[in-house]
Amino acid sequence: DSGVTQTPKHLITATGQRVTLRCSPRSGDLSVYWYQQSLDQGLQFLIQYYNGEERAKGNILERFSAQQFPDLHSELNLSSLELGDSALYFCASSATGATYGYTFGSGTRLTVV
Amino acid sequence: GQNIDQPTEMTATEGAIVQINCTYQTSGFNGLFWYQQHAGEAPTFLSYNVLDGLEEKGRFSSFLSRSKGYSYLLLKELQMKDSASYLCAVSPQAGANNLFFGTGTRLTVIP
Repeated sequence: DSGVTQTPKHLITATGQRVTLRCSPRSGDLSVYWYQQSLDQGLQFLIQYYNGEERAKGNILERFSAQQFPDLHSELNLSSLELGDSALYFCASSATGATYGYTFGSGTRLTVV
Repeated sequence: GQNIDQPTEMTATEGAIVQINCTYQTSGFNGLFWYQQHAGEAPTFLSYNVLDGLEEKGRFSSFLSRSKGYSYLLLKELQMKDSASYLCAVSPQAGANNLFFGTGTRLTVIP
């Protein structure tokens, strides 16, 4: 157990629907990062939050949004889902100012049918 | 933009040594990371280099040359459980800490 908790582990939904993925960071970590990993692609950075504020944004689609709550858990909202959104979505957390790596959660496997 | 290149696949024999290369071109540089990822699982941190040179950690070592935009991960005394994808990632800027990953190298260890 890495200390980063993601729910649900698996999600199957239809095109056009909306889903919410949840992440609880490791105790004490203020930064949360969201990544998407499709079959033939590497980990694609989506967005980072630090202590409730958006800190950095990657190639996140306008249909996707995220937030970090006062208790530091984060949610990634995916709407108007398309088949191409099927992927593993990872959340990671890191300690304040740390530049020596993240701790990843076990991921949510999203399948859009 | 950020560009990180790694070989797609490699095969090596149990007990041997394998070197996985990574070249990068990024808008800035604040450190290079190697992660191991078994299929369907979360990536796990292996090593971090921010200065030129070799960092050794047990059977794994990682090397960095910032002037060449080059790193390698060296795995010694390969074991079957080392079969996994190895991801090279660069942190382009201090403060934000977001990492940009290469597509990974899938290593298969054969008996």
